[in-house]
Amino acid sequence: GDSVTQTEGLVTLTEGLPVMLNCTYQTIYSNPFLFWYVQHLNESPRLLLKSFTDNKRTEHQGFHATLHKSSSSFHLQKSSAQLSDSALYYCALRTSGGNYKPTFGKGTSLVVHP
Amino acid sequence: GGIITQTPKFLIGQEGQKLTLKCQQNFNHDTMYWYRQDSGKGLRLIYYSITENDLQKGDLSEGYDASREKKSSFSLTVTSAQKNEMAVFLCASSYREGNQAPLFGEGTRLSVL
Repeated sequence: GDSVTQTEGLVTLTEGLPVMLNCTYQTIYSNPFLFWYVQHLNESPRLLLKSFTDNKRTEHQGFHATLHKSSSSFHLQKSSAQLSDSALYYCALRTSGGNYKPTFGKGTSLVVHP
Repeated sequence: GGIITQTPKFLIGQEGQKLTLKCQQNFNHDTMYWYRQDSGKGLRLIYYSITENDLQKGDLSEGYDASREKKSSFSLTVTSAQKNEMAVFLCASSYREGNQAPLFGEGTRLSVL
């Protein structure tokens, strides 16, 4: 079945440094749809980014990601971390193969400190 | 815009009790999901439904029942609450197509005494 692997556990950064959270996926289907969600403390996951097009950069709220089908990757990046970026981040995969449930990674917790 | 409403927001139960959580969406989404989120852990799929009256088991269906009697609503029942159990139950919904992102409700926080 489909799978998503994210940077494990906790990432700690100093404010102002770049952010990169890794996401790789596995699927037998050739048209994957990739999503990043952000979940702040005591809130529910909120869609941050999505991409369906190979090698095309997608951006939202200062974050960006590029789907690379050749390496099955969809890493989340930001040039300069802010304190408010501290949150739990999920990478998720859906396919057009008829399996209606999305596959989520285990989540990466990002803590940005001054 | 649409909204996904989960009720109740907080639920306190007793050990062994049957507890029901409700979710309603007005996006006209086909597919609805129930996830469990434990502190420090990821999202675990309990049940999902691709259309009215359809039910599909997720990875964590043991100990739960679900019901999708209407397209707009999806309920989850904890069949026997476990002592000291604490978790957040998240409802999500989406259109059936793979390029549609599931959207989440605000969650129901469960505590079992």
